[in-house]
Amino acid sequence: QVQLQESGPGLVKPSETLSLTCTVSGGSISSYYWSWIRQPPGKGLEWIGYIYYSGSTNYNPSLKSRVTISVDTSKNQFSLKLSSVTAADTAVYYCAREGVYCSSTSCYREVDYWGQGTLVTVSS
Amino acid sequence: QSVLTQPPSASGTPGQRVTISCSGSSSNIGSNYVYWYQQLPGTAPKLLIYRNNQRPSGVPDRFSGSKSGTSASLAISGLRSEDEADYYCAAWDDSLSGQVFGGGTKLTVL
Repeated sequence: QVQLQESGPGLVKPSETLSLTCTVSGGSISSYYWSWIRQPPGKGLEWIGYIYYSGSTNYNPSLKSRVTISVDTSKNQFSLKLSSVTAADTAVYYCAREGVYCSSTSCYREVDYWGQGTLVTVSS
Repeated sequence: QSVLTQPPSASGTPGQRVTISCSGSSSNIGSNYVYWYQQLPGTAPKLLIYRNNQRPSGVPDRFSGSKSGTSASLAISGLRSEDEADYYCAAWDDSLSGQVFGGGTKLTVL
């Protein structure tokens, strides 16, 4: 059973960089897409971006200028960096795996495993 | 503002059937599968419905999903108190090349 675990500081100062790591166990990081998703307190889910195990990435345009996602296949980990944070970046951050399902006509991406989430608070 | 539109709240009494709607566009729901998640307070979203109407093992058949055009629905029949939770719809968006979510619906069992 694949398991994902987020780790990193729970408190970050405004204007600094938020850094989180997701460790994947029970399966290889290869051949999948790996995503970060966040949820501000009391609000809905927001996709941040993804990385393919080979290193290709795509980010939500609303965060693109501040986001970097990287992967370390030797450690079965991928990471998130979000720069110049403000209070609006306070949220529970989830890491997730995206599998690919192919029908007879097309292939589709789907989130099939989630981490438990980690709360990151931006405050001085 | 979420890309997919859900009602903020829904309610029902035990035993009732309730439905939660999710509206999108041709770039997401209209051309991709819809997924539904249940989120209990303080926990990660749990997959309830995948590929429009499929249930993962362990999810009761009281939960069902459907899709028509650019909209989707989650139906819960035989409502139980433990169904009280937040429910989110999700889909891949071809324009964004990423996942999009609804704003969530808080279900109250009266």
